[in-house]
Parts: sequence; C-alpha cells; structure tokens
Amino acid sequence: GIQVEQSPPDLILQEGANSTLRCNFSDSVNNLQWFHQNPWGQLINLFYIPSGTKQNGRLSATTVATERYSLLYISSSQTTDSGVYFCAHTTSGSARQLTFGSGTQLTVLP
Amino acid sequence: EPEVTQTPSHQVTQMGQEVILRCVPISNHLYFYWYRQILGQKVEFLVSFYNNEISEKSEIFDDQFSVERPDGSNFTLKIRSTKLEDSAMYFCASSEFSEAFFGQGTRLTVV
Repeated sequence: GIQVEQSPPDLILQEGANSTLRCNFSDSVNNLQWFHQNPWGQLINLFYIPSGTKQNGRLSATTVATERYSLLYISSSQTTDSGVYFCAHTTSGSARQLTFGSGTQLTVLP
Repeated sequence: EPEVTQTPSHQVTQMGQEVILRCVPISNHLYFYWYRQILGQKVEFLVSFYNNEISEKSEIFDDQFSVERPDGSNFTLKIRSTKLEDSAMYFCASSEFSEAFFGQGTRLTVV
C-alpha cells in the first residue's frame, strides 16, 4: 500500500508561533483530508484538499498532488491548537476508506 | 451543522461479553464507516458500508465483528465476544461523496 509519512512526529511551540506540518506520500493519493484530534480524542475535520490551497482562519493547507505531499500551516498558534494532527487519504479505485498517517503531536505552551 | 453522533461515549465491558456501538450518520450521506484507534496509535479502518451491505473490510474486521443498519438512521457495530485487545476508541464516519466526517468516538474498555 501507499506509505504515508508525517513530519515532524512531535512539535512544541510557544503560543503565537507559526508552524508547518507535512505529509509525504509514496504514490499518488486521492481525497486528502487533514484532521485535528483534540485532547478528548475527537477527530475534527480541518480540510478536504485533494489539490490546491485552502484557508480557514489561522489554518491553511496546500496539496501538491504531482509531487506527492501536503502541508498544513498553523499561524499564531493557541493552546487550543494542541493535539494530534493527522493527514489521511483514500487509495485509488473505488475504495473510499481513509488511510491515516501516524500523526504529528503538537503542544502549544502558554 | 449536521454531525455524526455516537453512543455511548464510554463503555466498560467484561471480556467475553457482546457490545453494540451505535452511530447516527449525517442524514443525506450514503457511505458509512467504522474505524478504531488503539491508545497512542493511528486510526485504522475496519469496515465500509454502502447500499445496505459491506463494501470493504480490513483484516481486523474478523468474524467477531458485524455491522448493521437496522433502520433508516442508525448504523451499529457489534463485537460478539470482546477481548482485552479490543479496547480502543471506535469512530463512526459517513460521507456523501469523498469527504468523510467523523463522530466523537466511543471509548471501549474491556476488562
């Protein structure tokens, strides 16, 4: 199957700092999504971004499908941004289930 | 905003007991999924369901698991005889086309 590598695995920031999280794929992927898992375990949809760039408030994401990577930008981080960030994709063909990366554990310090 | 809802949020069960986890997908969605996440690990696909039948399942989804859509709104995951290693967070998800939306999860603890 397609290998998904998320980096960095862990990230500690001071409140107000900016960060970039990355997902690399070993092959072409479809239907890329970014999620935030908060400290209570809930998976929150951030972006559905198979290609291009999207922005939502302090967060933005870019997927360059031809180069097999996606980036999640967090600007002016807040303590509530803490948690695990996952990218996930569907494989080719008719399969719709998501394959998740291992995640980036983000801790934002006050 | 429509959302996927799961019940219960937490369940503790004795090893060997049957559990049923319940989900109400978003109403106009046609595709339904169950995923699980063992503590500290990544989210893993279990099964997908479309048009009242299983469309895909992973090797985790063995004979002790089953899914059902008993009526027009609910989607359930049954584990027939729970094992200690079934302890995990179980997520239900649904999608209309490509983007999947997840419920808040059911934390299952098998003792």
